[in-house]
Amino acid sequence: EAGVAQSPRYKIIEKRQSVAFWCNPISGHATLYWYQQILGQGPKLLIQFQNNGVVDDSQLPKDRFSAERLKGVDSTLKIQPAKLEDSAVYLCASSSTGTSGRPDSYNEQFFGPGTRLTVL
Amino acid sequence: QKEVEQNSGPLSVPEGAIASLNCTYSDRGSQSFFWYRQYSGKSPELIMSIYSNGDKEDGRFTAQLNKASQYVSLLIRDSQPSDSATYLCAVNGGKIIFGKGTRLHILP
Repeated sequence: EAGVAQSPRYKIIEKRQSVAFWCNPISGHATLYWYQQILGQGPKLLIQFQNNGVVDDSQLPKDRFSAERLKGVDSTLKIQPAKLEDSAVYLCASSSTGTSGRPDSYNEQFFGPGTRLTVL
Repeated sequence: QKEVEQNSGPLSVPEGAIASLNCTYSDRGSQSFFWYRQYSGKSPELIMSIYSNGDKEDGRFTAQLNKASQYVSLLIRDSQPSDSATYLCAVNGGKIIFGKGTRLHILP
C-alpha cells in the first residue's frame, strides 16, 4: 500500500512570495490533515478535511493560508504572502473513516514525508 | 485551551534498559491516544495507539493509559540505539493535539 505523498520536499522562497504544497493521501482514506511543525515543536493542526468538506480550520491563518480538497482525494495548501515565521515543515496526514464499532476519533493518522519551507 | 504536556528531555537511557516516556493531557473528554516516533529530519511514524485504560503491548513497546489521572505513558523495553528519536504524544478529543515531544537518547 502506497503511503501519503507530498511535494515538493523542499522549498525556499522570499517573504511576501506565494507557495503551494500538494498532498495525495493513502488510497481510500477519507480524512486528510495539514499540519505545521516548527523546529522543536510538535505538529500543529492547520486544517482537517473529511472527503472534500472542512471539519476543522480553527488554527489556519486564513488571511494568508488557504487549502482545498476539491475532489475529496488530493489536496493543496497555499500560503500567500509568506512571512518569515512560516518557515517550518508542512506535514500532510491521512486516516480512514471509522470502521464498524470504532468512532472516527479513534482513527490512526499516517504522515507523508513533509515539505520543508524556508522563508528568507 | 486543551494541552498535551511532555518533558522535552533529552532522556538518556543505557542500551538494554527500559525507557519510560510520559505524557499528561488536559481534556478529560479525550478518547484516543497515540505515540509517534520522529527521527531527526523525518516525519512522525505511528508506533502505538491506545483507547481504554490499562496496558497495551506490541513487541518491545507498552502503552499505558490512566484516564482518571489524565496520563499516558510509553515503555520501551530492551532499548536499542535505533530507538533514539523524539517521541510525540498525541491526544484526540475531537481534535488531535500533539505534545512537543521527548527526545530519547539510547547510550551504547
